[in-house]
Amino acid sequence: GQSLEQPSEVTAVEGAIVQINCTYQTSGFYGLSWYQQHDGGAPTFLSYNALDGLEETGRFSSFLSRSDSYGYLLLQELQMKDSASYFCAVTGNQGGKLIFGQGTELSVKP
Amino acid sequence: DTEVTQTPKHLVMGMTNKKSLKCEQHMGHRAMYWYKQKAKKPPELMFVYSYEKLSINESVPSRFSPECPNSSLLNLHLHALQPEDSALYLCASSQDHTVDYEQYFGPGTRLTVT
Repeated sequence: GQSLEQPSEVTAVEGAIVQINCTYQTSGFYGLSWYQQHDGGAPTFLSYNALDGLEETGRFSSFLSRSDSYGYLLLQELQMKDSASYFCAVTGNQGGKLIFGQGTELSVKP
Repeated sequence: DTEVTQTPKHLVMGMTNKKSLKCEQHMGHRAMYWYKQKAKKPPELMFVYSYEKLSINESVPSRFSPECPNSSLLNLHLHALQPEDSALYLCASSQDHTVDYEQYFGPGTRLTVT
C-alpha cells in the first residue's frame, strides 16, 4: 500500500518561516509533489522533487531525502495569503496515479 | 492558456436524475483526470484518461461514467447518485501520464445530491 503522513495543522505569524513535513511509504516511488489549495479553490501545483536535495522557487522551497522517505515544504516570509491547505503527493510506478497526503492546514496570523 | 475549465460550478440533483459534468483544457495535454474531494480531505482519484483512453478506474461505482470525446474534453456522466456522493468534483490535466506529478486543476463542480 501507499501512505503519506503530514501534520494536520500548522500556525505561524506573518514574516516567519514554516516547514511542513511529509513522510511516505510507497511502492515504486518516483517523486514527491506539493500542492496548495485555498478554501473553495482548486489545488495548485507548487513543486516537485525526484532527486535528493533542495529545490527553490521564490519564497517556497521543497526538500527530498529518498533514503529517509521524507520531504518538506519550506515557506519563507509568510504572508496572509499563504493561509491554505498544503498537500504532499507521491507518484509511483502506475503512471497517472498521484496519491495525496491528508493535507496540512496552514494559518498565518498577523 | 494554462486553464482548465469546468461546468457547471454548482449542481443540485435528485437521486433519480441524470446529469453530466464537463471539463475542457486547451493546453495540448494528453492526460486528464477526475477527482472527488470531500471537505477537509485530499482529492481522491477516480479516473485517468491517457491519450483519450481510460487507463485507470479506481473501482468507482458504475453510477459514475466517464467519457473522453477528444483530447480537450472530459465528461463525467452521473446517474442514480446517493447523498454520500455529494462532494467537489475536480478535473485535472497533465502533459501526459508520465508527467502526472504536475497537474493543472479546474475550479471544480460542487455537487449536492438530495
